This record gives sequence, structure tokens and C-alpha cells, in this order.
Amino acid sequence: EVQLVESGGGLVQPGGSLRLSCAASGITFSTYAMRWVRQAPGKGLEWVSDISASGSGTYYADSVQGRFTISRDNSKDTLYLQMNSLRADDTAVYYCAKDGSGGKTFDYWGQGTLVTVSS
Amino acid sequence: DIQMTQSPSSVSAYVGDRVTITCRASQVIGAWLAWYQQKPGKAPKLLIYAASTLQSGVPSRFSGSGSGTDFTLTISSLQPEDSATYYCQQANTFPLTFGGGTKVEIK
Repeated sequence: EVQLVESGGGLVQPGGSLRLSCAASGITFSTYAMRWVRQAPGKGLEWVSDISASGSGTYYADSVQGRFTISRDNSKDTLYLQMNSLRADDTAVYYCAKDGSGGKTFDYWGQGTLVTVSS
Repeated sequence: DIQMTQSPSSVSAYVGDRVTITCRASQVIGAWLAWYQQKPGKAPKLLIYAASTLQSGVPSRFSGSGSGTDFTLTISSLQPEDSATYYCQQANTFPLTFGGGTKVEIK
């Protein structure tokens, strides 16, 4: 059974930093691209970032470019999202997801972790 | 960026009804289109990828069609457990983008 478990969310002040983790099990983690998606309270889904299976390729939404860094440790089956210079509009539930079939899809998702940016 | 426009934003229908949701891309994306179902407080679930391929385990009452810029998700016989918000997503190029969502309610 595929499981993705996020952690690291919480309350942080504007301008602060947070690192999210996503522990994967039930898959050969090192063979799949992984991605982060977020959902602000009561809003729709927004893709945040992608990382290739090897970690050599990374992609970001314009809204987080230069502030967020995606990375992975294939020896630990874990995906990360380092979030710096956080703003109020970064408040959201952050989901990690595994690359699926049919292009760049999301076939397995974690349960999500809430990040709240507020003073 | 490729904009994804869904309609309607909400629909209310009876159990057993046929429900159709449309999604339009601002550029041609071939068949690189996925559909997701999200229930309150839960992560989204992949229903369909490549515009018309049913994800494993998804009931056959769900179907997808379309290519190019215009796509459709159809629920052939609405069930109570289908009450949820549905999103389309273009799976062609970065940045990946989602439609605004369609909330399906049971009358």
C-alpha cells in the first residue's frame, strides 16, 4: 500500500521559515518524480513544485520561485519543501503527491499538513 | 501559463441522474488532462488521466472524454458518495494548473 505522510506544518510568523517533509512507503521512491500542491482555506488546488526522480530537475510556481526549495533524499524515501520568507498568502494545506501516469499527474496524495502564516 | 476553466462551478442533481462537467484549456494540451475528486477535509483522489483512462479502482460510472482544449467528465448515474468537488488539471507543461473546481451536490 502506497503511503505518503507529511509533517512539519504549523504556525509561523510572516518572514519566517518552515521545512515540510513527506515520508513515502510502499513505492520504489527513487523511480518517481514527486510534487507539492497546496490549497488555501476554502480555495482550489495550486501546484507548488516538482522534483525529478533523481533530484536533478526542479520546477516551481512563480508564486514561490526564489523562496521555496524542493529536495529529496532517496536513501530515506523522503521529500522536502524548504519554505523561506513566508507570507500570509502562503497559508494553506500542503500536500505531497506522487507522479502518476498520463503526463504530469498526481496519483497518490498525502493527508496534507497545514501551514499558517500569521503574526 | 495554461488556464483551465471549469463549468459549472456547482451542480445539484438527484441520485441516478447523469452529471456532466466541462473543462476548457486556454491552449491545446492534447489528451494531457486529469480529473480529481475531493471530499471535505480529504486529499484529492485521481479519477481519470490521459483525458479518458479510468484510474484503477474508480467506479465505471465515471468517464472522461475530449482532446485539444475541450474536455468532459461524466458521472453516468449519480450516487450519494459522489458528493464532492471535482477538479480538472492539465498534465502537459509546467506550471501545472487546475480548474477552479465544480461542487456536486445531491438533491
